[in-house]
Amino acid sequence: AQKVTQAQTEISVVEKEDVTLDCVYETRDTTYYLFWYKQPPSGELVFLIRRNSFDEQNEISGRYSWNFQKSTSSFNFTITASQVVDSAVYFCALSEVHNTNAGKSTFGDGTTLTVKP
Amino acid sequence: DTGVSQNPRHKITKRGQNVTFRCDPISEHNRLYWYRQTLGQGPEFLTYFQNEAQLEKSRLLSDRFSAERPKGSFSTLEIQRTEQGDSAMYLCASSPLTTASPLHFGNGTRLTVT
Repeated sequence: AQKVTQAQTEISVVEKEDVTLDCVYETRDTTYYLFWYKQPPSGELVFLIRRNSFDEQNEISGRYSWNFQKSTSSFNFTITASQVVDSAVYFCALSEVHNTNAGKSTFGDGTTLTVKP
Repeated sequence: DTGVSQNPRHKITKRGQNVTFRCDPISEHNRLYWYRQTLGQGPEFLTYFQNEAQLEKSRLLSDRFSAERPKGSFSTLEIQRTEQGDSAMYLCASSPLTTASPLHFGNGTRLTVT
């Protein structure tokens, strides 16, 4: 069965600090996709990034960067120079391709990030 | 792209009553998902459709829950004989026909059962 664990329930930082959100996953499938979503106080989940299991190249997009390590089943997300608008709940999700669960995403319980001015 | 639309935004009902929620997905998306989210938790999968076919239902989905997607367009989620434990945010999402595609979520329907 697929499982996603976000061990950090809440993180609080001061604006301009860097912050890393951890995600560890479990899957029996050899082909899968990993996602990060952001849920601001307004409530709507918004997609941030996707990675497939064959692409371990890390990515930087503006202030966001992602570190995917298949050997440790981790897909961590870093915000550089955090801003108050980054305050939200961040969810990591896993979607398998080949097994009977194919087609749905399993989410972690989220990390609530608070960025203080 | 008008986004995923859910109605109503909020629903307060008394225990034992039936409720129905509606989701209008992004028009070109074949897949439609229902998730439930409670405070402090991530979205929990309930069921999903590929066009009009309901392909999977979670074990979380008791017999009191039923979902439909007639003609592969909008979807409804009905809860019969509501219980206080049904209180949650019900999220609808849609995606194109591929597991690689991210989900596009609506704003959700918050259900409160008194």
